[in-house]
Amino acid sequence: GAVVSQHPSWVICKSGTSVKIECRSLDFQATTMFWYRQFPKQSLMLMATSNEGSKATYEQGVEKDKFLINHASLTLSTLTVTSAHPEDSSFYICSAREGIGYTFGSGTRLTVV
Amino acid sequence: AQSVTQLDSHVSVSEGTPVLLRCNYSSSYSPSLFWYVQHPNKGLQLLLKYTSAATLVKGINGFEAEFKKSETSFHLTKPSAHMSDAAEYFCVVSVGGGTSYGKLTFGQGTILTVHP
Repeated sequence: GAVVSQHPSWVICKSGTSVKIECRSLDFQATTMFWYRQFPKQSLMLMATSNEGSKATYEQGVEKDKFLINHASLTLSTLTVTSAHPEDSSFYICSAREGIGYTFGSGTRLTVV
Repeated sequence: AQSVTQLDSHVSVSEGTPVLLRCNYSSSYSPSLFWYVQHPNKGLQLLLKYTSAATLVKGINGFEAEFKKSETSFHLTKPSAHMSDAAEYFCVVSVGGGTSYGKLTFGQGTILTVHP
């Protein structure tokens, strides 16, 4: 089946630095990629929707200048957390639509210290 | 607008007994409905999906769910729980039209505990 590879699986960074998370669709073309974050013991919340070759659409309350999304090709989308702070520590997951279903990456555990 | 409500935040069963995880949804359009499972610090794995075909959907690992439009429900069941079923389960809805096209809305999650 369709596979989305997400890297890194976990990352620890210092406050004020930036972190890039990559999601690659391995055997299909992902025209649309969704980015979610999940706080401990909570459900997934959609952050933004990215379409290949165009600007991402951010959900209400998500800072687009802080969470930079790039979807430059049909197989790669990236999320960069800029000037990270401890409150950005979370579990980030990408998802691509494939046919009538959705395939999720394995997630990235970000810890900002 | 669409929403999903998982009626139980925690469900605890004994190994070998049936599992019932409850989910109700609301949607302005014909929904697609999914159940995903998440093990700790892992991504999500699709268990099954409903997309307007048969109302009784069979998934992986012996799980199944029944779409009941009159009750706006999509409950997940399994006849006999295994220890490996212990995880968190998410009911998810996606609409096929309107401004929310393609967006997934997740329920709050149900943590399933299986006792020996």
